[in-house]
Amino acid sequence: AQKITQTQPGMFVQEKEAVTLDCTYDTSDPSYGLFWYKQPSSGEMIFLIYQGSYDQQNATEGRYSLNFQKARKSANLVISASQLGDSAMYFCAMREDTYSGAGSYQLTFGKGTKLSVIP
Amino acid sequence: GAVVSQHPSWVICKSGTSVKIECRSLDFQATTMFWYRQFPKQSLMLMATSNEGSKATYEQGVEKDKFLINHASLTLSTLTVTSAHPEDSSFYICSARDRPTYEQYFGPGTRLTVT
Repeated sequence: AQKITQTQPGMFVQEKEAVTLDCTYDTSDPSYGLFWYKQPSSGEMIFLIYQGSYDQQNATEGRYSLNFQKARKSANLVISASQLGDSAMYFCAMREDTYSGAGSYQLTFGKGTKLSVIP
Repeated sequence: GAVVSQHPSWVICKSGTSVKIECRSLDFQATTMFWYRQFPKQSLMLMATSNEGSKATYEQGVEKDKFLINHASLTLSTLTVTSAHPEDSSFYICSARDRPTYEQYFGPGTRLTVT
């Protein structure tokens, strides 16, 4: 079963508007972390934001915020005031934080959402 | 922030030859490094996890004799694609996990083209 689901293969947003990229996850581990990465056409993975499962408040980093709804197992990324440079692939990822042997603490990625910002 | 480098950033090789990709953590010690493969317009697929001083753990379906991983020090892991074929052409990304924090930092990737 997929642990991370991103249902939007592609999204368009007008410059200066806000956009929400969806991410749902599945885990039985009570301790986990959720990450969002941006991958521009150059290929590098750029870390954007992190949310821990025990964090009470939604994470924010500049124009990025994470809408964390634990009961719904969703961790949507909100980008405010979109810029042309935001056009890229965006990946949601999860790390389960309870030690379970050799594969512990790995990141599991969703399939990604391609965001295109329209001038 | 922590920096991970990869070398080379891109490489073209002929079918049948071997290619080595290096992954270095520049300002931290990484007991664990991960190797991912990414095909165009797809997500990152974990190939293997390497721990310093021990054998790598390969994901199901990844040929360990074809993708040789060595993690000889706390700052260096290498991936060697042996007897490369055109279907091995892909984007290979490494990441290194910082020992105290378990944070994972990504290298810039290596684009491999096998002709």
